[in-house]
Amino acid sequence: GENVEQHPSTLSVQEGDSAVIKCTYSDSASNYFPWYKQELGKRPQLIIDIRSNVGEKKDQRIAVTLNKTAKHFSLHITETQPEDSAVYFCAASGSGGSNYKLTFGKGTLLTVNP
Amino acid sequence: DGGITQSPKYLFRKEGQNVTLSCEQNLNHDAMYWYRQDPGQGLRLIYYSQIVNDFQKGDIAEGYSVSREKKESFPLTVTSAQKNPTAFYLCASHRDRNTGELFFGEGSRLTVL
Repeated sequence: GENVEQHPSTLSVQEGDSAVIKCTYSDSASNYFPWYKQELGKRPQLIIDIRSNVGEKKDQRIAVTLNKTAKHFSLHITETQPEDSAVYFCAASGSGGSNYKLTFGKGTLLTVNP
Repeated sequence: DGGITQSPKYLFRKEGQNVTLSCEQNLNHDAMYWYRQDPGQGLRLIYYSQIVNDFQKGDIAEGYSVSREKKESFPLTVTSAQKNPTAFYLCASHRDRNTGELFFGEGSRLTVL
């Protein structure tokens, strides 16, 4: 089955700096790669996703890049703010590219210091 | 107000007892999922269901059971066979395979005493 590795497990940045979180996946058939944000005590929520037919996607201060050849994808947050502090999870679609079964990384705890 | 409702939010259980976690959605979504969240382990898939009366095992199904008798409901039973049941359990749903976004409930925290 799919295996997703996520790094780093913790990341601390100063407000205004950029943050980058990286993930690798094992199943070359995977074609959907979402990122979820989970604030303390709350449910995970989708912040951005990318499909395998594009290499980059942006939404305001958030961007995701995908390198299918290397089987890795990254989340980039620019001009970080204290409210960006949360746990971020990457995920990849399961074997065969089915969107029904996502495999998640172990998460990155991002702390933005004011 | 559409969404996913999980209950109870907190649950305590003695060893050897089965417990059922409720998950109800009014989003008219076809597919529903149960994930287990442990510190430093991310979200691990327990069971998922693509349609009523059908479900499949995820990566860590041992010691768990589910049913999908109604589109709106996908309860999870944590049986006494689950060796480490203390965890945070998240239910989720999404509309169809072309809509990747998962909508999560607020979770149920189970503690086995």
